[in-house]
Amino acid sequence: NAGVTQTPKFRVLKTGQSMTLLCAQDMNHEYMYWYRQDPGMGLRLIHYSVGEGTTAKGEVPDGYNVSRLKKQNFLLGLESAAPSQTSVYFCASRIAGGKDTQYFGPGTRLTVL
Amino acid sequence: EDQVTQSPEALRLQEGESSSLNCSYTVSGLRGLFWYRQDPGKGPEFLFTLYSAGEEKEKERLKATLTKKESFLHITAPKPEDSATYLCAVATSNSGYALNFGKGTSLLVTP
Repeated sequence: NAGVTQTPKFRVLKTGQSMTLLCAQDMNHEYMYWYRQDPGMGLRLIHYSVGEGTTAKGEVPDGYNVSRLKKQNFLLGLESAAPSQTSVYFCASRIAGGKDTQYFGPGTRLTVL
Repeated sequence: EDQVTQSPEALRLQEGESSSLNCSYTVSGLRGLFWYRQDPGKGPEFLFTLYSAGEEKEKERLKATLTKKESFLHITAPKPEDSATYLCAVATSNSGYALNFGKGTSLLVTP
């Protein structure tokens, strides 16, 4: 099993450009999450999904949109990138019910100029 | 509001010098406390979950313990390959489906 994978690994954008980050998991997990990690800030939740076709806002959702059209994929979109969105983005997934343990992908480093 | 505080922010140890990392929490209804390890440029890697005060878990040189207010990650006779950032997170009755993370402790073990 590959676990949680993220595409791309690195990306540089100009202010105002748009892009989509892809997260895929092969563990048949129901829940998926997008976090951002900034120096001194820890991991902060952007959006999450508890099932195919459902999404919900996390702690820092502004400027981002998400979609979960298939159970195994969770997309994070930036419609008009801003320098404040320069960060490392992590996707995570977990099974429904019982244990809360989340499993993380390798991350995408995004720079917005 | 749930709060998770990790200390120290950074720790430098010599190889073989045992120590502990602290994660203190103020939460409503703890469902679980999690420890992750994160290497530079990588995603967090799951280490342990603790569910109730008094619980302990071990893995190689690491041992995690939990009280009603804090958790400790004890590192016994560390090696340079234990160098990483260690993250603590909690699941609570307030956090819903999410985890609330601390800011981490950066550990450097020198030969």
